[in-house]
Amino acid sequence: NAGVTQTPKFQVLKTGQSMTLQCAQDMNHNSMYWYRQDPGMGLRLIYYSASEGTTDKGEVPNGYNVSRLNKREFSLRLESAAPSQTSVYFCASSVAGGANTEAFFGQGTRLTVV
Amino acid sequence: GENVEQHPSTLSVQEGDSAVIKCTYSDSASNYFPWYKQELGKRPQLIIDIRSNVGEKKDQRIAVTLNKTAKHFSLHITETQPEDSAVYFCAAIHNTGGFKTIFGAGTRLFVKA
Repeated sequence: NAGVTQTPKFQVLKTGQSMTLQCAQDMNHNSMYWYRQDPGMGLRLIYYSASEGTTDKGEVPNGYNVSRLNKREFSLRLESAAPSQTSVYFCASSVAGGANTEAFFGQGTRLTVV
Repeated sequence: GENVEQHPSTLSVQEGDSAVIKCTYSDSASNYFPWYKQELGKRPQLIIDIRSNVGEKKDQRIAVTLNKTAKHFSLHITETQPEDSAVYFCAAIHNTGGFKTIFGAGTRLFVKA
């Protein structure tokens, strides 16, 4: 049982390049999330998908797009990377929302934009 | 908008002492309050949570208290050990189907042997 798996673990991009971060969960969870983690700022929600077929903006959605490909997979796309997007990105999943929102995190992707 | 403030940002204690981390939240409709621990270079993991219908919950050396009137909740770690050294995040979640988990900025706890 792998839990939440993210790829890649590390990535360096040049300004203006695009890339997609992949995330998959095998826990049959309904909800999935993308967070970014910056020093001193905790975990900030970029986008979430409450259930298969739906996506919604979180706190910091600008510069990102997401796709809930199926119940297992939720990808995050940077269309034109900027240095301000240098961060550690975490994908997470949960059974549902509200009080069932215990989040299970992936191992993270360290992204550097130069 | 919704906000969760967490204090202190850094906490250093001697092994065996207690550590307390405090959080306040702004959304009075929040009713689920989890705490996550993130060891260096690893993913955050849930260590304890509390729902709004209780005021305190304990799990071995870890306890969480909630004051809904004042909109604050705290994490208490007793008899701290070096392996408790990590970053701790509090979070507040809106009731009935809320998905926008708002995290605090984190507390880096150092336990000195």
